[in-house]
Amino acid sequence: KQEVTQIPAALSVPEGENLVLNCSFTDSAIYNLQWFRQDPGKGLTSLLLIQSSQREQTSGRLNASLDKSSGRSTLYIAASQPGDSATYLCAVTPEVGTSYGKLTFGQGTILTVHP
Amino acid sequence: DAGITQSPRHKVTETGTPVTLRCHQTENHRYMYWYRQDPGHGLRLIHYSYGVKDTDKGEVSDGYSVSRSKTEDFLLTLESATSSQTSVYFCAIKGWVTDEAFFGQGTRLTVV
Repeated sequence: KQEVTQIPAALSVPEGENLVLNCSFTDSAIYNLQWFRQDPGKGLTSLLLIQSSQREQTSGRLNASLDKSSGRSTLYIAASQPGDSATYLCAVTPEVGTSYGKLTFGQGTILTVHP
Repeated sequence: DAGITQSPRHKVTETGTPVTLRCHQTENHRYMYWYRQDPGHGLRLIHYSYGVKDTDKGEVSDGYSVSRSKTEDFLLTLESATSSQTSVYFCAIKGWVTDEAFFGQGTRLTVV
C-alpha cells in the first residue's frame, strides 16, 4: 500500500526566506505527483503536476522536483510572502493501468510566513 | 476551479438519516472522485467514477454509495448517517490533457 509522508508537519518562517517542503512515498511506481495548496476552510488548489518522466516543474516562485527512484519530491518556495501561508499537500497517482487517477495524499505541511 | 460545484456547502443532520451530497461539473470530464478529509487522516478516497454508471470503491467506502447517471453529476449518499461520517467531503475531477486533479470547495457535514 502506498504511503505518503510530508516533512515537516509545520513550518514558520520570516517573510522573504526561501524554503523547502518535503514529500516522500514508499512505492516508486507512480504515474505522477501533484502539489496542492489549501487555505483554511477552502478546497484544494493545484500548484504543480510532475509526470513520472519529468525531473521538475516551475511556476512563478514555486519549483517542484521529483526523484522517482528514491521516492522523493520537494517543493521550493522562493522569497516567501505572508500570502503563502497555507497547508501544502502532495499526492501521488499509481502507475498501474487501472489506477483511474486515484490520489494518495500526504498529511500536509502547515506553512506560516510572518511579516 | 474546473467548473466544479458541490452542494450543499454545509449540512447538519441527525444520526440515522440519509444524506446525499452532489457534485456537478460543467466540462464533460470522464473521471470524478469523492474524498473525505479528517484531522489525523488527511484526504482519503471514498468512491470514484470512470464514466456514466461506472463506479468503484475507494479506501473508505463502507457506509457510502454513489451514482452517476449523467456525465456532469456524481452523487454521494450516506444511507444512514453516523457520527463517524462527520467530515469535510471533497469532489474532484481529473483533467483531460495533463491528468491534473481539480477539487471542489468542499461540503462540511456534521452528524449529530
